[in-house]
Order: sequence, then C-alpha cells, then structure tokens
Amino acid sequence: DAKTTQPPSMDCAEGRAANLPCNHSTISGNEYVYWYRQIHSQGPQYIIHGLKNNETNEMASLIITEDRKSSTLILPHATLRDTAVYYCIAMTGRRALTFGSGTRLQVQP
Amino acid sequence: NAGVTQTPKFQVLKTGQSMTLQCAQDMNHEYMSWYRQDPGMGLRLIHYSVGAGITDQGEVPNGYNVSRSTTEDFPLRLLSAAPSQTSVYFCATRTYDYGYTFGSGTRLTVV
Repeated sequence: DAKTTQPPSMDCAEGRAANLPCNHSTISGNEYVYWYRQIHSQGPQYIIHGLKNNETNEMASLIITEDRKSSTLILPHATLRDTAVYYCIAMTGRRALTFGSGTRLQVQP
Repeated sequence: NAGVTQTPKFQVLKTGQSMTLQCAQDMNHEYMSWYRQDPGMGLRLIHYSVGAGITDQGEVPNGYNVSRSTTEDFPLRLLSAAPSQTSVYFCATRTYDYGYTFGSGTRLTVV
C-alpha cells in the first residue's frame, strides 16, 4: 500500500467547510483512496473512497488530483460532531486496512 | 440489521487469565478482521479472515488466536493475558466496494 502523509491536526469553524489534505505521491494505478474517521472512543467510520474521479456522498466530497498524487476530503458544513481523527488510506480493495496517524480535526464553535 | 456486534464492551483480566472476545455480523460479509488500538495510537491489525475456515495473521498476531467456523462469527482468544495486551479491540467486516464496518469495541484491561 502506498504511504500517505497528512497534517497532524487542523482546526475549522463550525458551519464552514473543512478541507483535509492527503499526500499519496507513490500511489499505484490500482490503489483507491479511502477516508475513514474515528470519533473519540468509537470504532472507525467509513466516509468515502475513489480511484481517479471526484466523488460525493451524503457525508463528504473527495477531490483527487489529476496525477493522483494527492487528494482532499471536504466536509462542506462542519459541525461539532465532525470533531474526530481522519485517516487517508491508499490501498487496493482486497488488502487489509492499515492506519497511519491521521489528522485530528477540531471543529470550533 | 445490527451490523457488527462485539461483546463484552468492557473486561478486566488478571495476568495469565484467558478469555474470548466475541464478534458477530449479520451482513453476510466474507472478510472479517481484528484490530487493537493502544492509547493515542492508530489501529493495528491482529488477525483477519477471508471466509469460513480461512484465517491469517496481521501485523501484531502474537498472543492471540482466531478461528472462523461460520461466516457470522470471528472470535479472538487471549490464551494467557499480559498487561501489554491492555487495549481497545475492534472487529471489522468489509465489502469490496464499500469499505469496512467496525464494531463499537471491547475495552480490555489486564492487571
């Protein structure tokens, strides 16, 4: 699996968009970009994933650069309940999930 | 549809005791796995299974045994608990397209 790099922490004002970056410069052609989050003491929660096209679901949007070396997870209107650690993972669908250290997002009131 | 159910939610063991952490799923997913998460750390893979009768080791398998006799259940056994196994344990299933579904965790303390 390709190594990913994320900032250790970010702050965002409530109601504003939260943009979480992820670098995966060594990603291979068959590896997807997955995003998960873990709210304090809970099990990780799947958010979204994509291969090369931008993706959107009810939780978030995923923007992947054309060269696929980086991506951005967008929470369009962050709430206090979005405070969590966010993990960006590059992997093929059939490999076991491995977590890095993620980005700790703090949504401020 | 309960998803992934883990029991117990909390457990305290004495060093040397054995126990089994239970994981059950009702989504008919073939793939199941166990992770541990130490305080302030990321998740580490212990064991996983790609279907009934098939298991394999993850990143930190020592001290743990697993078996998979049915699609629904994937128990994790600690044969002789050690303080180093104090952690939060998460069970997860996976579909190929839609990622992992995690249970709510078992918080284990070994004294």
